[in-house]
Amino acid sequence: EAQVTQNPRYLITVTGKKLTVTCSQNMNHEYMSWYRQDPGLGLRQIYYSMNVEVTDKGDVPEGYKVSRKEKRNFPLILESPSPNQTSLYFCASSFSGTVTGELFFGEGSRLTVL
Amino acid sequence: KQEVTQIPAALSVPEGENLVLNCSFTDSAIYNLQWFRQDPGKGLTSLLLIQSSQREQTSGRLNASLDKSSGRSTLYIAASQPGDSATYLCAVEGTDKLIFGTGTRLQVFP
Repeated sequence: EAQVTQNPRYLITVTGKKLTVTCSQNMNHEYMSWYRQDPGLGLRQIYYSMNVEVTDKGDVPEGYKVSRKEKRNFPLILESPSPNQTSLYFCASSFSGTVTGELFFGEGSRLTVL
Repeated sequence: KQEVTQIPAALSVPEGENLVLNCSFTDSAIYNLQWFRQDPGKGLTSLLLIQSSQREQTSGRLNASLDKSSGRSTLYIAASQPGDSATYLCAVEGTDKLIFGTGTRLQVFP
């Protein structure tokens, strides 16, 4: 089954404790992206990757890091989480490496930073 | 900078009604526009993708139209059902990458 898988789905952590949210897709997609969704602000892009070893900042990259060492994986790293990073996070992928095209989303990771 | 607006923010209708959701955008230089559905606590599911050269796309009871010159798209849902209850988001792709609207929360009651 074609899917985008995120882990963990739910996480409560404390300020400053490094964490990683994993994202994996099994569709051989070139494009992968991370979004955060906050009430009243909608979905905002954090980072995206057009292909292996190619990453770029989205609209709200501060406080986040990403890597794309393999085509299927695109982890999101919070080196020193803060309460303003409490949010619902989505990973997404699409086939195209240029124009995004049809996006496939993971089920989301709800992060709470105390 | 592209801005995407969806009106209304929430909509409640009885089962069986035909309804229209609206999406407007400020920059007409777009590559495509997508409509998504989001169920509570879930990810987004792509419903329809309209390329900039197209005027509309249809899938089952859903029909999406695109008028680039006026910066508008509509999602038409025919014969609505309780299972259509969800939040519907549009997203516009252009030089500013993919920009999402904040969505219309739809409730269809029996």
